[in-house]
Amino acid sequence: EADIYQTPRYLVIGTGKKITLECSQTMGHDKMYWYQQDPGMELHLIHYSYGVNSTEKGDLSSESTVSRIRTEHFPLTLESARPSHTSQYLCASSLQGTDTQYFGPGTRLTVL
Amino acid sequence: RKEVEQDPGPFNVPEGATVAFNCTYSNSASQSFFWYRQDCRKEPKLLMSVYSSGNEDGRFTAQLNRASQYISLLIRDSKLSDSATYLCVVSSSGTYKYIFGTGTRLKVLA
Repeated sequence: EADIYQTPRYLVIGTGKKITLECSQTMGHDKMYWYQQDPGMELHLIHYSYGVNSTEKGDLSSESTVSRIRTEHFPLTLESARPSHTSQYLCASSLQGTDTQYFGPGTRLTVL
Repeated sequence: RKEVEQDPGPFNVPEGATVAFNCTYSNSASQSFFWYRQDCRKEPKLLMSVYSSGNEDGRFTAQLNRASQYISLLIRDSKLSDSATYLCVVSSSGTYKYIFGTGTRLKVLA
């Protein structure tokens, strides 16, 4: 089992609120990722990080931001939630030099 | 055209059947290939990496055909617990970019 955690697991929130989705891993992995997945659809990369103080945007245009101050922690923040942000958000990590990604359980976000 | 394409299914098969899925990819520079399993409303979990020589793990066999740019997954003696969506994932070595297919949904019926 992968040691990667996400909180909250479920979040229902009103439009305009600021939210932070947490992701932590205890495997010492350098690389971390955030994906967005709608039901029945493929995963889309929204942010990734190669290590501390390294963050990049992925292919999917996103109004979210991330930070990587510690190796094990990669939070994602939405400054002003909108109904279009309703989706499942999956965090993943992998070890430098390997290609295998391990996923957290996901956060299912609903914005009303 | 999507970079990674899979038949979405569903594939409905009886217990004990053998079932095979294919996945095609468009980037000839792709280096790493994976099959992930995703249960309904859960996170993807690595099923197996796919090596050039092909590889087998119990009832599961994965093959790579670089010339035709596809990978395959064969499941023998299907179990009810194999019911899930199987995601094909392709990556170019040294990049951040993992391209996910939409998945093939498998239902194993009693």
